[in-house]
Amino acid sequence: GQQVMQIPQYQHVQEGEDFTTYCNSSTTLSNIQWYKQRPGGHPVFLIQLVKSGEVKKQKRLTFQFGEAKKNSSLHITATQTTDVGTYFCAGPGGGDYKLSFGAGTTVTVRA
Amino acid sequence: EAQVTQNPRYLITVTGKKLTVTCSQNMNHEYMSWYRQDPGLGLRQIYYSMNVEVTDKGDVPEGYKVSRKEKRNFPLILESPSPNQTSLYFCASSLEGLNTEAFFGQGTRLTVV
Repeated sequence: GQQVMQIPQYQHVQEGEDFTTYCNSSTTLSNIQWYKQRPGGHPVFLIQLVKSGEVKKQKRLTFQFGEAKKNSSLHITATQTTDVGTYFCAGPGGGDYKLSFGAGTTVTVRA
Repeated sequence: EAQVTQNPRYLITVTGKKLTVTCSQNMNHEYMSWYRQDPGLGLRQIYYSMNVEVTDKGDVPEGYKVSRKEKRNFPLILESPSPNQTSLYFCASSLEGLNTEAFFGQGTRLTVV
């Protein structure tokens, strides 16, 4: 069935540096969503990408959807301590109504 | 305030003792689902519901039951909990399923001893 793979699992970043997390699907996705979960919290929706090659920005966060709609990335510029948490990608998978999440990238920031 | 409410937030129980985790949303969403979160495995979908009286299995349904008798409520039932069901559980709802953002509850930390 549909699987969404996410790398890296952990990202340790120096404050002020950039980093990217990647999401890959075994099949074409109709859309992809990104969520952020702060330590001890619940996942919170960040964005949804629908179109092939789509790029969306939210302040220091840049989201991309691949041309083949099978991969996506989240790039964070000038990392801050507020970026700490786990970032998940999620896409429809294994049928019309199942949602498949990646394992997440857990980000820690060194001040 | 638009929200998804889960109860209880924390629960310690013994093997075999039936339990129910409640989930309620006040946004008139059609789609609701349950996930469990385990280290290194992300969020895995247990069950989902497209609307009242319509439920279906997710990726890890074994040992769980759900019901959707009202649009706002989607309880998760563990008939005979086992230690491998120790996990962090999240309920989520969305307006129209997979093409709209999901709103998550605060989570329920379940420990089965």
